[in-house]
Amino acid sequence: QKEVEQDPGPLSVPEGAIVSLNCTYSNSAFQYFMWYRQYSRKGPELLMYTYSSGNKEDGRFTAQVDKSSKYISLFIRDSQPSDSATYLCAMSFNSGYSTLTFGKGTMLLVSP
Amino acid sequence: DSGVTQTPKHLITATGQRVTLRCSPRSGDLSVYWYQQSLDQGLQFLIQYYNGEERAKGNILERFSAQQFPDLHSELNLSSLELGDSALYFCASSVAGANTDTQYFGPGTRLTVL
Repeated sequence: QKEVEQDPGPLSVPEGAIVSLNCTYSNSAFQYFMWYRQYSRKGPELLMYTYSSGNKEDGRFTAQVDKSSKYISLFIRDSQPSDSATYLCAMSFNSGYSTLTFGKGTMLLVSP
Repeated sequence: DSGVTQTPKHLITATGQRVTLRCSPRSGDLSVYWYQQSLDQGLQFLIQYYNGEERAKGNILERFSAQQFPDLHSELNLSSLELGDSALYFCASSVAGANTDTQYFGPGTRLTVL
């Protein structure tokens, strides 16, 4: 079992839809959870990060962490064609210098 | 534009060869990370340097090595290349190297081993 699992997609939605992207993980020691967005032929860019359980909102994006279920989600409201990208979740053990473990990413396609 | 530069953009070489990938971090960032991205493995952390010193090691093969120079640029050396080393190699930088620091990724170097 991989440490972090993520459905590769593609996930195709119409413009304006609410998108839900998810990751599951196996190691309960993960404490920090991040979402990165990667456009085709570009490097990943950090969207949001959360610590432990709970929700965090930033504009149209909401990140949720459920540590009891080892499940994290990223919701995108009012999705736009410019949101079409691959979304990678990442997590780490603490705020020190431990490494990031990434999911393989979910490709999202938002059609106009 | 993240401010992280990587050269070259593309590299095509043969099995058994050695290549060097170069990364310049954002101005003021002390920490550099190297990642490998392939279709089957996803984005894999290789190694991190902070102000010239190795800070953390991930899934880096013994055939691979890296260093960070006094001017903070970094090089990743890949030797005895195999077909399976074909991948996108990303460099990222952050201010201090803590995992809560935002890592800014470069555009990547696409390595093709024939």
